[in-house]
Amino acid sequence: DVKVTQSSRYLVKRTGEKVFLECVQDMDHENMFWYRQDPGLGLRLIYFSYDVKMKEKGDIPEGYSVSREKKERFSLILESASTNQTSMYLCASSLLGTGNTIYFGEGSWLTVV
Amino acid sequence: TQLLEQSPQFLSIQEGENLTVYCNSSSVFSSLQWYRQEPGEGPVLLVTVVTGGEVKKLKRLTFQFGDARKDSSLHITAAQPGDTGLYLCAGRGSNTGNQFYFGTGTSLTVIP
Repeated sequence: DVKVTQSSRYLVKRTGEKVFLECVQDMDHENMFWYRQDPGLGLRLIYFSYDVKMKEKGDIPEGYSVSREKKERFSLILESASTNQTSMYLCASSLLGTGNTIYFGEGSWLTVV
Repeated sequence: TQLLEQSPQFLSIQEGENLTVYCNSSSVFSSLQWYRQEPGEGPVLLVTVVTGGEVKKLKRLTFQFGDARKDSSLHITAAQPGDTGLYLCAGRGSNTGNQFYFGTGTSLTVIP
């Protein structure tokens, strides 16, 4: 079974702190994604990566950065957390190609106070 | 951004009833997927449809991809409390490489 593991399920951080969300997948997938999910807004893509050291902006990249130094690991970084970044963050991975399944992690609930 | 609109946003029905959830867009998608998400968990894939007009059945769930590949529907027959969850559609753009666009979701509650 494919497994996408997010390092933290629940985090509480203070405004201005630097926050790292880590994600690891074990199926040698080329694509990795970071989404945030908010009530009434669905899943919105922050960044995605289709290869090591490659990254593409999604729909809402402002205030975030990412790092993909190894194929299996994709990190989301909040350089200076703000209260409007309180959300559920979902990491996902997939193979390249049309119609391939996206596999999601269990999510990380981030609260910025 | 290629928008996917889902309707209804919320649905509460009695056990045994039938329901249909819709996913619509003005954009053409090369494939479309349906996911179900339970509270506190990540979404889990239910089905992928690729061909316009395609119909797939998964037990009591029937999925259809529109002929023009711009819309899709999910029909549940004789809903059960275990069907409760957030249903999400996701479309892969025909010219957006590997990016998927998600709908806003339909929150379904099936009352015993």
